[in-house]
Amino acid sequence: AQTVTQSQPEMSVQEAETVTLSCTYDTSESNYYLFWYKQPPSRQMILVIRQEAYKQQNATENRFSVNFQKAAKSFSLKISDSQLGDTAMYFCAFMKRYAGGTSYGKLTFGQGTILTVHP
Amino acid sequence: DTAVSQTPKYLVTQMGNDKSIKCEQNLGHDTMYWYKQDSKKFLKIMFSYNNKELIINETVPNRFSPKSPDKAHLNLHINSLELGDSAVYFCASSQEAGQGLVNTQYFGPGTRLTVL
Repeated sequence: AQTVTQSQPEMSVQEAETVTLSCTYDTSESNYYLFWYKQPPSRQMILVIRQEAYKQQNATENRFSVNFQKAAKSFSLKISDSQLGDTAMYFCAFMKRYAGGTSYGKLTFGQGTILTVHP
Repeated sequence: DTAVSQTPKYLVTQMGNDKSIKCEQNLGHDTMYWYKQDSKKFLKIMFSYNNKELIINETVPNRFSPKSPDKAHLNLHINSLELGDSAVYFCASSQEAGQGLVNTQYFGPGTRLTVL
């Protein structure tokens, strides 16, 4: 079974600054996907970024980037130029990639990190 | 345009009642899921359906029964509601991805269930 750990229950950052959220996972699988989801106060779960474990290049989406360290089983999220709208709970999630490349599997989530961006 | 919708958004009911939550997706996806988010915000999968067939069934009490009338709908029926069932329930959907493609799940807005 997979486990995902987010060791920072809460983080805060000033607007326009950079913040990094940590995530580690434990798995015996070699093929999998990793995700960061954001849940603002509206409760909606929004995909922020995703990473295929077989890709060495770190994923980037505008101000969001990841530092994926496969050997260390670490998947941190960096938010640059933080904005007030980034205030939310952030979840790291793992999904196993099944043989044949299909992956209609379950997401295993971490406990979440509450990020507050201050003006 | 709503991609994954759930009704109702809020549901308050008494212990022992039976209730249903509906989910619909207009993304053309073939896989749908139910997740439960507890009071500590922890999210855990409950069920998954692919083309109306159950493919994931986590350790969930028999009182919870998912029903998928077609690919675009996955409803959750809960019998004999208990206090511990109070939570936010999320529906999600994804398209079965082929070799090398990522199966990304898109979530509905959630249904907050409160059992009194």
